[in-house]
Amino acid sequence: AQSVTQLGSHVSVSEGALVLLRCNYSSSVPPYLFWYVQYPNQGLQLLLKYTSAATLVKGINGFEAEFKKSETSFHLTKPSAHMSDAAEYFCAVSDGGGTSYGKLTFGQGTILTVHP
Amino acid sequence: DAGITQSPRYKITETGRQVTLMCHQTWSHSYMFWYRQDLGHGLRLIYYSAAADITDKGEVPDGYVVSRSKTENFPLTLESATRSQTSVYFCASSEQAGKTQYFGPGTRLLVL
Repeated sequence: AQSVTQLGSHVSVSEGALVLLRCNYSSSVPPYLFWYVQYPNQGLQLLLKYTSAATLVKGINGFEAEFKKSETSFHLTKPSAHMSDAAEYFCAVSDGGGTSYGKLTFGQGTILTVHP
Repeated sequence: DAGITQSPRYKITETGRQVTLMCHQTWSHSYMFWYRQDLGHGLRLIYYSAAADITDKGEVPDGYVVSRSKTENFPLTLESATRSQTSVYFCASSEQAGKTQYFGPGTRLLVL
């Protein structure tokens, strides 16, 4: 079984500060890992994904994440927060296919607040 | 470029009524998924489908029924709605297993 833990249901940063959203996973097979962002009253939008290529993954809007197998982590970072980054962020894990059809297991989400 | 759409966007119903939430995608993706989003739980998988006429249960399937007679449609039916099914429901699709899932805008369901 797969699981995802996002540390911190709420994170608050100042505009221009570093954003760090934490995600740890468990998986019995090499995982595919995803970060999605959800703006108020909208669906989820893919930020970035790791599918066993480069361990440092760059996504949209200046976000990036590093896959660390030894730590079973896939933390999301952005060097300088912008007001428009305020949203809820979800980390998700998939086994990449097989009998599970690549279904996603999500973390509980982290709400990012950006202060002026 | 419609992508993936859900209808209705908002629905209020009463306990015991049958409700069907619609999901339609224009990409001809093989895989489709239904999730519900609740505070403190993130998104949880209800049902998924690998192709027309192939469906399977996810993490929280009780009280829900799905069908997939056409590749582009994946309706979710609450046979007898309960208050615990008040939630936001998201449909998603992907081209292949393990590929990126693309999400619809969601349906907010309130069961009174």
